[in-house]
Amino acid sequence: DQQVKQNSPSLSVQEGRISILNCDYTNSMFDYFLWYKKYPAEGPTFLISISSIKDKNEDGRFTVFLNKSAKHLSLHIVPSQPGDSAVYFCAASSGTYKYIFGTGTRLKVLA
Amino acid sequence: DAGVIQSPRHEVTEMGQEVTLRCKPISGHNSLFWYRQTMMRGLELLIYFNNNVPIDDSGMPEDRFSAKMPNASFSTLKIQPSEPRDSAVYFCASTYPQGSRWAFFGQGTRLTVV
Repeated sequence: DQQVKQNSPSLSVQEGRISILNCDYTNSMFDYFLWYKKYPAEGPTFLISISSIKDKNEDGRFTVFLNKSAKHLSLHIVPSQPGDSAVYFCAASSGTYKYIFGTGTRLKVLA
Repeated sequence: DAGVIQSPRHEVTEMGQEVTLRCKPISGHNSLFWYRQTMMRGLELLIYFNNNVPIDDSGMPEDRFSAKMPNASFSTLKIQPSEPRDSAVYFCASTYPQGSRWAFFGQGTRLTVV
């Protein structure tokens, strides 16, 4: 039973355009959400987070949106750059350090 | 800071052999996690230690898997006996509660059981 789902295994976007990566969750107790980026042969690295008391968090080109009623979060990358090509994981927790990860979305930014 | 250090980076072993993966967390971090990444299931939490004590091992697949953290700077994940379905990338991650709510990952160990 996947509590965190990333239904798009892959996404291709033209350089300079917006990339939108989606994540759905089922557990209403989740109160903190993370996005990690992973390059090949490297470990995941933290990208951006959002608490359930917010609906938006922005860091430079990266913005995460949280829709609690829909149990949905999304990561927007604007503008997309070739260096953003990686696998992106969303993760969720409920007040602890135990995070449930999605299966990842592979983003390819085309030059 | 050297980050989370895992060894070996790659491991190829025969079915039935014992495999030991090693992890050195970031100094000062008192929470340590072992994850397994597969294509089908993504990143799965296997076990979580806090202050060297296993807090949650509900993700450990079966008795063939065991993990230890004898001190704050070292942890092992052992598979005995190994099976081909154990082939995956195993990640170790660490963090500290007084700081960020996210963990810092090592580069992973790619395990292949033939």
